[in-house]
Amino acid sequence: TQLLEQSPQFLSIQEGENLTVYCNSSSVFSSLQWYRQEPGEGPVLLVTVVTGGEVKKLKRLTFQFGDARKDSSLHITAAQPGDTGLYLCAGDSDYKLSFGAGTTVTVRA
Amino acid sequence: NAGVMQNPRHLVRRRGQEARLRCSPMKGHSHVYWYRQLPEEGLKFMVYLQKENIIDESGMPKERFSAEFPKEGPSILRIQQVVRGDSAAYFCASSPVRPRGRWANTGELFFGEGSRLTVL
Repeated sequence: TQLLEQSPQFLSIQEGENLTVYCNSSSVFSSLQWYRQEPGEGPVLLVTVVTGGEVKKLKRLTFQFGDARKDSSLHITAAQPGDTGLYLCAGDSDYKLSFGAGTTVTVRA
Repeated sequence: NAGVMQNPRHLVRRRGQEARLRCSPMKGHSHVYWYRQLPEEGLKFMVYLQKENIIDESGMPKERFSAEFPKEGPSILRIQQVVRGDSAAYFCASSPVRPRGRWANTGELFFGEGSRLTVL
């Protein structure tokens, strides 16, 4: 069983549309990280959220950490083909990261 | 390239053989993590090491798997007597941060490009 559940598992949208990826858990985390992974490569950190209720914006990406520090969401506005990839959330607990299974996002031109 | 270096990138082994995967962390990083990735299952934590010490190996199978991070040289993940179920991508990540206490943040992990093991 996954400590972190990500939904949806797959998402295919048209360029210009918006999308939201969810990351949920019954566990509390000291922080939560979002990574993006491209085929044949390792994950690359996008953002770390630390405070319950925190919202961070990175250009067209908006990350939110739940008040109880158990869940998070990633929202992409006006998606572009370059946003295509596997998005992974990772919860920080006991000095290691536990990853969700990921959401595969495909943005069609 | 000052990033995390993993080799080999691809490794093919027959059942019963040994696989050795190497990871050189980023310069100045003394914390190394190994993860295994299977399709549609995300990254599974295996082991966390510091120089010459295994800090947490709770994700490592009890048999056939071992890891080390010597004072000099790369970290090594060793799989003895491989079976088909060991086929996966193995990622190494390094960090300069020393976590302190259960609620301390791990910090950003810098991942290598992975080693893809195929067991025939």
